[in-house]
Amino acid sequence: EAGVVQSPRYKIIEKKQPVAFWCNPISGHNTLYWYLQNLGQGPELLIRYENEEAVDDSQLPKDRFSAERLKGVDSTLKIQPAELGDSAVYLCASRGGGTDTQYFGPGTRLTVL
Amino acid sequence: AQSVTQPDIHITVSEGASLELRCNYSYGATPYLFWYVQSPGQGLQLLLKYFSGDTLVQGIKGFEAEFKRSQSSFNLRKPSVHWSDAAEYFCAVAKLRDDKIIFGKGTRLHILP
Repeated sequence: EAGVVQSPRYKIIEKKQPVAFWCNPISGHNTLYWYLQNLGQGPELLIRYENEEAVDDSQLPKDRFSAERLKGVDSTLKIQPAELGDSAVYLCASRGGGTDTQYFGPGTRLTVL
Repeated sequence: AQSVTQPDIHITVSEGASLELRCNYSYGATPYLFWYVQSPGQGLQLLLKYFSGDTLVQGIKGFEAEFKRSQSSFNLRKPSVHWSDAAEYFCAVAKLRDDKIIFGKGTRLHILP
């Protein structure tokens, strides 16, 4: 069974540029999470989807961050414009199929110059 | 609010030695507790979890953890570490079984040959 797929794995951009990250969850998983992991820190939840509905986006900085999961499967997280402080790893996780476990993808490492 | 404290940022042990990683949580009721491992460039992998029942939990890769309510602790142990165990370990807590997970800052484990 394929795991959570994320792309790109690495992204380097200049500040003020837009950037997008893509996540494809494990097949059949209805719940999808985006986490932000700063260097030397644990992941912090940005947004949680149940199917196509964002049920917890309280930690998402909505002035520059947006996310969508239009068909309830894959998801895109966007930053526009990016700031230096956005340099971090962006992790996607999914849960479903009767399990309580969140399965994480490898993450996208973003560097903003 | 829930929180997780991992008091050791780095731990170094010799290969074959025993290991204990400390974790303390703050939460009023019985929490749901997790240990994840993150190898360089990899996503987080669940080692074990505690929801209820037996307070000594067995996980993958020979790890175990013990929930001690009186000490608000959920320490991770392994009787004999292998060089491949070198990674970052995260303790985490959730309020509900399918709620967002709050992660500690992690403990980086180094293995001496």
